[in-house]
Amino acid sequence: AQSVTQPDIHITVSEGASLELRCNYSYGATPYLFWYVQSPGQGLQLLLKYFSGDTLVQGIKGFEAEFKRSQSSFNLRKPSVHWSDAAEYFCAVGTSGGYQKVTFGTGTKLQVIP
Amino acid sequence: DTEVTQTPKHLVMGMTNKKSLKCEQHMGHRAMYWYKQKAKKPPELMFVYSYEKLSINESVPSRFSPECPNSSLLNLHLHALQPEDSALYLCASSQEGIGHGYTFGSGTRLTVV
Repeated sequence: AQSVTQPDIHITVSEGASLELRCNYSYGATPYLFWYVQSPGQGLQLLLKYFSGDTLVQGIKGFEAEFKRSQSSFNLRKPSVHWSDAAEYFCAVGTSGGYQKVTFGTGTKLQVIP
Repeated sequence: DTEVTQTPKHLVMGMTNKKSLKCEQHMGHRAMYWYKQKAKKPPELMFVYSYEKLSINESVPSRFSPECPNSSLLNLHLHALQPEDSALYLCASSQEGIGHGYTFGSGTRLTVV
């Protein structure tokens, strides 16, 4: 079975600073990987996704993520954080066969300080 | 239309009540999902519908009953719920094939009293 680990429960960064959120996955085959963002009381919004091809993936809102098979990681990055980026971020992994069963990590809460 | 619409946004129900949550999308997505999210936890998959047929039931108690009347609509019927069922219920849809990712609705905040 697939699983996702987000080791950082809470991260605080200053506005304008760079950001990296960590994600490690466990899956026997090539995984489908996603990053979602959730504002309080809201649904989740897809930031970016990876299945194959270029291991550096560009997403919406200036986010990017890099797939590293050797480290089983899919870390999310942003060069300059804005106050509006404060939210909960979920990494997710999906199976490559069968119907679309996606498993979410436990999430990282991002706080942005002025 | 690129949205998934969920109604109601908030629902308070007693343990003997029967209520329904509704989810609608007009993006032509043929897969639809129900997720349950407790506070400070990730979403947990409940049901998957593909081409209006139930394809995954994650061992959800029978007091939750999903229904997919057509390709645009997904319902979740609730009956005899417990206080521990209080949560944010999220609906999502996707194109066929997992690589596309989900489009989520903003959820129904359910409180069982």
